[in-house]
Amino acid sequence: AQSVTQPDIHITVSEGASLELRCNYSYGATPYLFWYVQSPGQGLQLLLKYFSGDTLVQGIKGFEAEFKRSQSSFNLRKPSVHWSDAAEYFCAVKNTNAGKSTFGDGTTLTVKP
Amino acid sequence: EAEVAQSPRYKITEKSQAVAFWCDPISGHATLYWYRQILGQGPELLVQFQDESVVDDSQLPKDRFSAERLKGVDSTLKIQPAELGDSAMYLCASSLDSGSYNEQFFGPGTRLTVL
Repeated sequence: AQSVTQPDIHITVSEGASLELRCNYSYGATPYLFWYVQSPGQGLQLLLKYFSGDTLVQGIKGFEAEFKRSQSSFNLRKPSVHWSDAAEYFCAVKNTNAGKSTFGDGTTLTVKP
Repeated sequence: EAEVAQSPRYKITEKSQAVAFWCDPISGHATLYWYRQILGQGPELLVQFQDESVVDDSQLPKDRFSAERLKGVDSTLKIQPAELGDSAMYLCASSLDSGSYNEQFFGPGTRLTVL
């Protein structure tokens, strides 16, 4: 069965610093991978997705993620964090085009002024 | 901008009572999803509709949960009777179709507290 692990429950960074959120997945073939952001009391918003091709994908709000098959990872990065980026971030995997998504347990990002 | 609507936003109920949540997807979206998100965890799919048909309800506790999407548009998720462990955020999402190329758009959720 597919699974997603987000090793960091909570991360704190200073505004303007770089950010990397880790995501590891378990699935035999090439998965469909996603990153979502959830602000307090809100639903999830898609940041970016990877299906195939270039392993570095660009998303909204200045985020990017890199797919590394050898490490079964899909880490999310941002070069300079803004206070408005404080939220919870979820990595998700789908095993087929129409299969259901499995989400990690999320990483809460706090941004220090 | 089109959004997924959910109501109510918050619901407090006592155990053994019945509760119902409503979702109105983005117009034209054929696929509708109900997720349960327990505090500190990621969303877990409860049921997926394609138009009015259920395509996946493998994680839906069918002894107490039911979901319908009678006309293939809006949907209702019901719990009867509610239990303490049902306290969670219930999220609805919709997409044009079930393919992964189609983004899922999430509603704001219904926060359920069972006392």
